[in-house]
Amino acid sequence: QKEVEQDPGPLSVPEGAIVSLNCTYSNSAFQYFMWYRQYSRKGPELLMYTYSSGNKEDGRFTAQVDKSSKYISLFIRDSQPSDSATYLCAIEDSSASKIIFGSGTRLSIRP
Amino acid sequence: SAVISQKPSRDICQRGTSLTIQCQVDSQVTMMFWYRQQPGQSLTLIATANQGSEATYESGFVIDKFPISRPNLTFSTLTVSNMSPEDSSIYLCSVEPTTGENYGYTFGSGTRLTVV
Repeated sequence: QKEVEQDPGPLSVPEGAIVSLNCTYSNSAFQYFMWYRQYSRKGPELLMYTYSSGNKEDGRFTAQVDKSSKYISLFIRDSQPSDSATYLCAIEDSSASKIIFGSGTRLSIRP
Repeated sequence: SAVISQKPSRDICQRGTSLTIQCQVDSQVTMMFWYRQQPGQSLTLIATANQGSEATYESGFVIDKFPISRPNLTFSTLTVSNMSPEDSSIYLCSVEPTTGENYGYTFGSGTRLTVV
């Protein structure tokens, strides 16, 4: 079993739709959870991070962590064509001082 | 958050040669990381580079193939040695979060390597 699993997509939705991106993880000790956005030919850009369980909101983006289910989500409201990118979940393995990435979900927002 | 300058941004190299990628950070950081991202794939950690000690390599990566230098707290290099077409990838450096900033690891813009 991979430590972090992410639906690879691709995912295509119309502009204005709510997007839900999800990952599961295997180690209940993980506590820091991050979402990165990567545009084509660019490095990953940190979108949001959360610590432990709960929700965190930043504008149109909401990150959610459910530690009981080992499930993390990123919601994008009022999606825009500029949101078209690959989204990667990432989890910090503090015991090894490194982060583990999901496989990434390629998202396309249709105008 | 830290600002990372990585170069070259891209290169096309002949098989059997070596390429050194540089990563410069605008602040002092203890830990720097080197990743590989193959076409259409996620990021795979190659090694962790701490200043003043040997780099720690992940399973499947060896020092002879990917030697790393970390001469000070703001700079690191990764060399891809004796290249083959299978080494064609994007190589990215990353740094750990620094105190007081929005938590998260910052990445450089990457080096797109094509081996012919």
